[in-house]
Amino acid sequence: AQRVTQPEKLLSVFKGAPVELKCNYSYSGSPELFWYVQYSRQRLQLLLRHISRESIKGFTADLNKGETSFHLKKPFAQEEDSAMYYCALRRSSASKIIFGSGTRLSIRP
Amino acid sequence: DTGVSQNPRHKITKRGQNVTFRCDPISEHNRLYWYRQTLGQGPEFLTYFQNEAQLEKSRLLSDRFSAERPKGSFSTLEIQRTEQGDSAMYLCASSRIQGTNYYEQYFGPGTRLTVT
Repeated sequence: AQRVTQPEKLLSVFKGAPVELKCNYSYSGSPELFWYVQYSRQRLQLLLRHISRESIKGFTADLNKGETSFHLKKPFAQEEDSAMYYCALRRSSASKIIFGSGTRLSIRP
Repeated sequence: DTGVSQNPRHKITKRGQNVTFRCDPISEHNRLYWYRQTLGQGPEFLTYFQNEAQLEKSRLLSDRFSAERPKGSFSTLEIQRTEQGDSAMYLCASSRIQGTNYYEQYFGPGTRLTVT
């Protein structure tokens, strides 16, 4: 069965410090991996996709198939990064998205 | 606002009552998805439509749940004989599919259901 695991419920870092939100997945095929973000009082929105290989708002994520991980990183956290972050997976041949349980990122001033 | 809209935003109902939620997708999006999110969890897939056809249903979707998208535009999700365990945020998302090209799912604000 496909599964996405985010081991940290809450991650608190100081402004300017590096951030790494961990995500591991289980799937035997070649999935698409995503990071979604939900800011306070806003709807869930896509942050980035692994196939795009782009940096969004300073965040990057590299798919490591050997470790089945897709960790989200940012070198210098900003206060506006405080939000709920969800790692997600889509099977290559399907449409539904499987979400992890989420990590709340809190940036301290 | 041309994003996905959901109504109502909040619904409080007594156990055993039926409830219906509506989702209006982004215009011309041919795929529409329903997810459920309980406290402390990520969204869980319930079902999705391509145009008016319901293509997949999760095992989470008991026979008390039914979804429709009669004209391939808006969709409704009905829960019959609600139970306290149905209390959750119900999210709708829409996307466009052309051939095998996958496009981003855009989420609505959700309908929060509380069953008392």
